[in-house]
Amino acid sequence: DGGITQSPKYLFRKEGQNVTLSCEQNLNHDAMYWYRQDPGQGLRLIYYSQIVNDFQKGDIAEGYSVSREKKESFPLTVTSAQKNPTAFYLCASSKFRDRELGNTEAFFGQGTRLTVV
Amino acid sequence: AQKVTQAQTEISVVEKEDVTLDCVYETRDTTYYLFWYKQPPSGELVFLIRRNSFDEQNEISGRYSWNFQKSTSSFNFTITASQVVDSAVYFCALSDYKLSFGAGTTVTVRA
Repeated sequence: DGGITQSPKYLFRKEGQNVTLSCEQNLNHDAMYWYRQDPGQGLRLIYYSQIVNDFQKGDIAEGYSVSREKKESFPLTVTSAQKNPTAFYLCASSKFRDRELGNTEAFFGQGTRLTVV
Repeated sequence: AQKVTQAQTEISVVEKEDVTLDCVYETRDTTYYLFWYKQPPSGELVFLIRRNSFDEQNEISGRYSWNFQKSTSSFNFTITASQVVDSAVYFCALSDYKLSFGAGTTVTVRA
């Protein structure tokens, strides 16, 4: 089945540690995204990538890093510089439609709930 | 810069009532996509509908319908004859190369 897989579903981290969240897609989508969602709030864009080996900062990139070495994979590292990392993290991917319209609808993984202990 | 505004924070209705969710967006681009997503309690976002900026024809798909008006930058979404299973958070989103979401509207449908 085609889809987006995020792992792990739940993740606990000690303060001061870096942690990497996995996101893999087999939809052959060009673009991938990482969002953060805090309780009762909307989705805020952390990073996005349109093509392999290229990515751009979103609205809240500080304290996070990403890589896009393969089309299928877009891992997110939450570094110790992120002051308040406890949140729900969602990964998504979408297909490039054309140069005018850009990307079509995004499909999401099931999310990773990160808790700092 | 892109911006999506969902002014309604929460809506509560009784089953079988219609629910209309408002969305207003800002963009400098002349071509773009607009979407509505649903987030049930499980947390995963589910894609519902898409509209591109070229097409202002309003449509109905089952119990869902939408009203896109480019002149007022609005993309409203209606659930007809709501059901308890429609209870969720609904997000409006705007895309050209960057996909931006509104803050979401929590819909509660009571039996």
